[in-house]
Amino acid sequence: AQKITQTQPGMFVQEKEAVTLDCTYDTSDQSYGLFWYKQPSSGEMIFLIYQGSYDEQNATEGRYSLNFQKARKSANLVISASQLGDSAMYFCAMREGSGGSNYKLTFGKGTLLTVNP
Amino acid sequence: DVKVTQSSRYLVKRTGEKVFLECVQDMDHENMFWYRQDPGLGLRLIYFSYDVKMKEKGDIPEGYSVSREKKERFSLILESASTNQTSMYLCASSFILAGEETQYFGPGTRLLVL
Repeated sequence: AQKITQTQPGMFVQEKEAVTLDCTYDTSDQSYGLFWYKQPSSGEMIFLIYQGSYDEQNATEGRYSLNFQKARKSANLVISASQLGDSAMYFCAMREGSGGSNYKLTFGKGTLLTVNP
Repeated sequence: DVKVTQSSRYLVKRTGEKVFLECVQDMDHENMFWYRQDPGLGLRLIYFSYDVKMKEKGDIPEGYSVSREKKERFSLILESASTNQTSMYLCASSFILAGEETQYFGPGTRLLVL
């Protein structure tokens, strides 16, 4: 079974609108971390936002926020006020186990976001 | 700013050649990682290192080896390149941020094996 599922291979959004990219995860660990990365066409993976499993509040970072629903095992990325430069591939990733003892990240297959002018 | 650099953005090699991909980070990070990225398969971990001269296999280590002689440098080696190793290779290093280990990536190397 996939540990990270991104069900939207592609998404389109109009400039200045908000968009939600879906991510569901599967783990039996109590302690885990969830990450979102952005990969523009240049190829570099850019870290966007992190949510720990014990964090009670949703993470926010500028125009990015993470809608964390633990019972549903979902960690959706919300981008507000989309910009043309947001067009990229977006990856959700998870690290299982407590910090420092388990380094491996498992990535989803990604969602290609296109922002239309 | 975290800086992770990779020796080449694009590389073309022939089948059977020995290939070295170099990754350097300037933030004194303990952990470094090599991934490959293929369409439809996402990122897959090849090897990682948690200290100088220490390494562990990831999910797909076959056909690869690594070297970490200095803390800032982590090399991926293809002993005898094959066409199925044509891929995008991404290096990452990590440090603790807000109590969590966050990986930061280099720009990637697109390798073509003919």
